[in-house]
Formats: sequence, structure tokens, C-alpha cells
Amino acid sequence: QKEVEQDPGPLSVPEGAIVSLNCTYSNSAFQYFMWYRQYSRKGPELLMYTYSSGNKEDGRFTAQVDKSSKYISLFIRDSQPSDSATYLCAMEEYNFNKFYFGSGTKLNVKP
Amino acid sequence: KAGVTQTPRYLIKTRGQQVTLSCSPISGHRSVSWYQQTPGQGLQFLFEYFSETQRNKGNFPGRFSGRQFSNSRSEMNVSTLELGDSALYLCASSLEGLTEAFFGQGTRLTVV
Repeated sequence: QKEVEQDPGPLSVPEGAIVSLNCTYSNSAFQYFMWYRQYSRKGPELLMYTYSSGNKEDGRFTAQVDKSSKYISLFIRDSQPSDSATYLCAMEEYNFNKFYFGSGTKLNVKP
Repeated sequence: KAGVTQTPRYLIKTRGQQVTLSCSPISGHRSVSWYQQTPGQGLQFLFEYFSETQRNKGNFPGRFSGRQFSNSRSEMNVSTLELGDSALYLCASSLEGLTEAFFGQGTRLTVV
């Protein structure tokens, strides 16, 4: 079993839709949870990070962490064609200095 | 401020050769980590350096090695290249830990 599981998609939505992206994990020691966006032929770009459980909002993006269920989500409101990319979740144990990535979900927002 | 710079951007090597990739972190960042990205395996952690010391490493063979210099620039080396080493190699830098790590554009290595 992989440490981090993420549905690869592709996920296709119309412009303006609310998008929900999710990851599950098996290691209860994970404390930091990150979401990255990667455009084709580019390096990943950090969108949000969350420490432990809870919600964090930044503009159209909301990250949620439910440690009891070992489940994290990224919500994108009012999705735009420019949001079309692959979204990667990443996790880290406290002070362990090693990332575990999900396989990425490819999102396509249609105009 | 300048982002993470990786050189070269593209590389073609022959099986059995060795290769060295370079990563210049964001100014002030002392942690540099390396990753291999392939369509089949996704993003996999190679190793992380902080102040010239390797703090953690992933599950890769000893052919993959790295180092960090006193100015925080880092290099990774792959010896005796295999076809399966063809991938996008990414480095990321951060202030101390991996949280809020910023990635470079990557070096695309093709082994023929």
C-alpha cells in the first residue's frame, strides 16, 4: 500500500464549478500537509500548506485536513480554465525532512 | 527575488554514463531536496540536504548521490545510468524544513 493515495483523474469540470480534490494516507505521524499545482513541463508550485488538522483558506482555495480519517482535501471555488493543471498533495512527518507525494490529479476546467 | 534554478534543463545520456545535475536555491534558503518524477511512479523523494549535511534519503540505489556546498547550492549525481533513470529531476529549496518548499523547473534526463 502506498503511503499517500490520490485519484489520478482526469477530472473535467465546467468553468465556475467548485472542484474537490482529495488524498488519503496511512501514516498517522504525518503533521504537515501541502498542495502543489503543476502545469505541463513546469515544476510544482506550492499552493497551500496546513499543519495538523483544520481548515485553511486562501482566495479561491480551501485546504482541509481530517487527521482522524487520514483524509485531506483541496477545494477550488469559481474554477477557471487557468486552473487546469495537475494537483499534487504532499505530506511530511514533523522534523523528518522527507516528503511523500500523491500521484497527482489532472484537472481540466472547460471554458 | 530569483527562484530555484536548475541546470541543465535537458540532458541526453547513454546507458552506463554518469551525470551531474545542479540546483541553485532561493537566496537565504538552506534546505535543498531532490525528487525524481516519472509518469509511472510520480514524484519520489531522493534526498534532502541542510547546511551541507544529508538529513534524509529516499529508497534509491547508491548510484544516486548528492552533495551541498557551503553556499547552499546542491548537485546530484547518477552513475552507471540505466534506461529507467529517464525522468524529470526536480529540486526544491526552503528555509529550514521541507514545509513551504519551492521547486525549480527541473532537469529532463533522457537515457538512451
